[in-house]
Amino acid sequence: QITLKESGPTLVKPTQTLTLTCTFSGFSLSTSGVAVAWIRQPPGKALEWLALIYWDDDKRYSPFLKSRLTITKDTSKNQVVLTMSNMDPVDTATYYCAHRGGSVKYFDYWGQGTLVTVSS
Amino acid sequence: ETVLTQSPATLSLSPGERATLSCRASQSVSSYLAWYQQKPGQAPRLLIYDASNRATGIPARFSGSGSGTDFTLTISSLEPEDFAVYYCQQRYNWPRTFGQGTKVEI
Repeated sequence: QITLKESGPTLVKPTQTLTLTCTFSGFSLSTSGVAVAWIRQPPGKALEWLALIYWDDDKRYSPFLKSRLTITKDTSKNQVVLTMSNMDPVDTATYYCAHRGGSVKYFDYWGQGTLVTVSS
Repeated sequence: ETVLTQSPATLSLSPGERATLSCRASQSVSSYLAWYQQKPGQAPRLLIYDASNRATGIPARFSGSGSGTDFTLTISSLEPEDFAVYYCQQRYNWPRTFGQGTKVEI
């Protein structure tokens, strides 16, 4: 079965760079049509799509955060990494990674999420 | 970006009642719209994709309709476990966007 799990720091200081890792199993990111996305949710607020990486290494970013985001994959390790630079308290949120399938092209499997707090 | 506006923000209903949730897009998204359910402390769960297709394991009381800019999620008879927040999401335009959510409360 498909599982995803996010890992990374729970607390970062303003201006620091956040690095989050999504480790997954049950699928391969070398399979045609498959993608992994990062989505965040500030406490009590709505979901916000951040970035997505396809099996062929095509990458898409939120235009509002594009200058701060980098998404990469390591197919051999079954991992996707998101870095976000210049963190600010408004970036405090639960960060999710999610699987996007090749047939059902929506986020059909999600990690449990990891809460990242930005504070000095 | 494509803004998705959900209404109402909160829907107060009782178990057994019918719930009708709306999602309106600022520009056409064809039929490329999904609905997710999120309960407190949990990740979202995909309910409906491509406007009207139920995801695997989703009960038949959940149905979706619409195309273009106007979409509806209907829960035919609310079960206690259906009280949650529901989000719509489009995949027709970049960036992918979510609505702000509708809370279905008892």
